[in-house]
Amino acid sequence: DTAVSQTPKYLVTQMGNDKSIKCEQNLGHDTMYWYKQDSKKFLKIMFSYNNKELIINETVPNRFSPKSPDKAHLNLHINSLELGDSAVYFCASSQDTLQGGYGYTFGSGTRLTVV
Amino acid sequence: QQQVKQSPQSLIVQKGGISIINCAYENTAFDYFPWYQQFPGKGPALLIAIRPDVSEKKEGRFTISFNKSAKQFSLHIMDSQPGDSATYFCAAYNQGGKLIFGQGTELSVKP
Repeated sequence: DTAVSQTPKYLVTQMGNDKSIKCEQNLGHDTMYWYKQDSKKFLKIMFSYNNKELIINETVPNRFSPKSPDKAHLNLHINSLELGDSAVYFCASSQDTLQGGYGYTFGSGTRLTVV
Repeated sequence: QQQVKQSPQSLIVQKGGISIINCAYENTAFDYFPWYQQFPGKGPALLIAIRPDVSEKKEGRFTISFNKSAKQFSLHIMDSQPGDSATYFCAAYNQGGKLIFGQGTELSVKP
C-alpha cells in the first residue's frame, strides 16, 4: 500500500494549457503539502493544508490553486502553464503540524515538463 | 531568517569511509531538524531527526551531531556503502508549520 500517492508520475504539456496533479494519503495524517523541486534539486514549500484548511500559502503565482476535498486528498491545479513551471512536484503529509512537527512522508513526485 | 545552508553540494567517498554533510541555520525558533534521503525518481524519505535539546542522535550507521550554540548540525554516515549513494537534505522546522530544506548534497560512494 502506497502511503502518499500522486498521479500522474509524468506530465508533458504545452504552454498555456491547464493541468491538475492529484495526491492521496492513507496514513490518517492531518496535514498535507505541495513542494516544488527545481532542476538543482532545491525543495521549496508551496502550500499546506490542515484538515482541509489552507494554512500555508507561499509566494506562488495565483495560476497555482490547491484544492482539498477532504483531509486525505490534496490536488494541485495549474492554469496557463509556463516554461518555468517545469519541475518535479511532490505531495507530502504529516501528523498535526501545529503540535510541533513530525516527519513528513513524501509521494514519489510528478515530473512536469512544459514545452 | 528562514534559510538553511547545506554543504558540500557534492561528495565522493570510498566504500567503508565516513561521509559528513554539514548544515547551518539562522532562525532560533527552529525546533526539529530532520535529514532526508532521496534516490533518483523517488521522493525524499525521512532518515533521522533530532531536537535541539540533545547534542547527538545515532541510528545504525547514521549519526546527527547538533551544536545549538553554533546553530549547526551535521550528518555522519559511517562505513559508507554504494547503496548510500543518493541526495541528502537537511531540514529545519518551526511551529509555524514550515519544513525548510537545505540545498541538498549528492553523495556518491565508490566501490
